[in-house]
Amino acid sequence: DIQMTQSPSSLSASVGDRVTVTCRASQTISTYLNWYQQKPGKAPKLLIYAASSLQSGVPSRFSGSGSGTDFTLTISSLQPEDSAGYYCQQSYSTPYSFGQGTRLEIK
Amino acid sequence: QVQLVESGGGVVRPGGSLRLSCAASGFTFSSSGMHWVRQAPGKGLEWVALIQYDGRNKYYADSVKGRFTISRDNSKNTLHLQMISLRAEDTALYYCAKDAGYSNAHSFDYWGQGTLVTVSS
Repeated sequence: DIQMTQSPSSLSASVGDRVTVTCRASQTISTYLNWYQQKPGKAPKLLIYAASSLQSGVPSRFSGSGSGTDFTLTISSLQPEDSAGYYCQQSYSTPYSFGQGTRLEIK
Repeated sequence: QVQLVESGGGVVRPGGSLRLSCAASGFTFSSSGMHWVRQAPGKGLEWVALIQYDGRNKYYADSVKGRFTISRDNSKNTLHLQMISLRAEDTALYYCAKDAGYSNAHSFDYWGQGTLVTVSS
């Protein structure tokens, strides 16, 4: 089974900052990597699919990159509404797996 | 608009059974793969199962294989998860999620609000 490891587990940043979250797969997954945002008490929301494709309706300040085993989610200019949990998920092979999550707090 | 509404959660004793349902609307259910994803209280997301659009192929997490069965009724636009031999570690909010259908990614573009399963004596 493929293990997904995110870092950091939590971070705090200011409005306007550039923020990066990384995700590493235990084996190569090509670009079969998706990113989700989850706010407290809400269902997750798809942000990025296939490593770098922006889901419809998602603000362009969100971007994704990477292939193989190393991936990055970047928020170019942090907004107050971006305070949330962020999860990567591999869809290369079943059982699909998520990273443990990154909690992003606004200073 | 796409809607996914889960039901069937509740409190069950260890070793018990429960059947979850997810009523889908606003999209062509019979053309979409569907997933169950769960989240234990205060914890991260865990993928549980996938059923392809026609119900022919099903896939499971190792943690539920042999105990959970995913199924669908395309005539009623409904997804199910039959759970037996439940354990305390199955306690979670269970989400149904629609597969986005992208050829290069099994991603989940719509989610329900979740139904809570609590396994406790």
